[in-house]
Amino acid sequence: AQSVTQLGSHVSVSEGALVLLRCNYSSSVPPYLFWYVQYPNQGLQLLLKYTSAATLVKGINGFEAEFKKSETSFHLTKPSAHMSDAAEYFCAVRGSTSYDKVIFGPGTSLSVIP
Amino acid sequence: GAVVSQHPSRVICKSGTSVKIECRSLDFQATTMFWYRQFPKKSLMLMATSNEGSKATYEQGVEKDKFLINHASLTLSTLTVTSAHPEDSSFYICSATSRVGGYTFGSGTRLTVV
Repeated sequence: AQSVTQLGSHVSVSEGALVLLRCNYSSSVPPYLFWYVQYPNQGLQLLLKYTSAATLVKGINGFEAEFKKSETSFHLTKPSAHMSDAAEYFCAVRGSTSYDKVIFGPGTSLSVIP
Repeated sequence: GAVVSQHPSRVICKSGTSVKIECRSLDFQATTMFWYRQFPKKSLMLMATSNEGSKATYEQGVEKDKFLINHASLTLSTLTVTSAHPEDSSFYICSATSRVGGYTFGSGTRLTVV
């Protein structure tokens, strides 16, 4: 069984400040991990994914995440927040086969304060 | 890249009627498709997994007779919400995967039952 927790349902940061969104996972098999962003009334956009290669994964819009097996974590970071980063962020986990279902975390709403 | 088209993007229907949502993989063969439901300000909940040519596997608590899923071809899966009621109003998102990997989401369908 797989599951995802995201600490903090809502995070506020000042524009230009560091963004840190936390994600911890549980998986009985080697996981693939994802971060998605969702803007209001829109679908999901893939930010980045970990697929058992490099543990530090760089994504779009300046985001990156580090896979730490010992901590079962996959936290998302961005050095400097921009107003356009305000959105809902979802961490997700999947098995390594293409038929495995993706399980989403509860999401973190990011607000950026000017 | 892999593209999944979901149609319609928005639909309003009267209570008691049925509505069909289509999910098409445009440039690849989708051996497996997944259907998710998202309540306002909530995460995505997996409803069912469908493999081409076989019956869908529903998650616990999802009514099979309420949410009919058909995956008759390698490029098309449909979700039919039967006898819709206001509590079925939600955002429905499909995703598709192929034998060579990759996991692509549709843009979602906003269903409003009045």
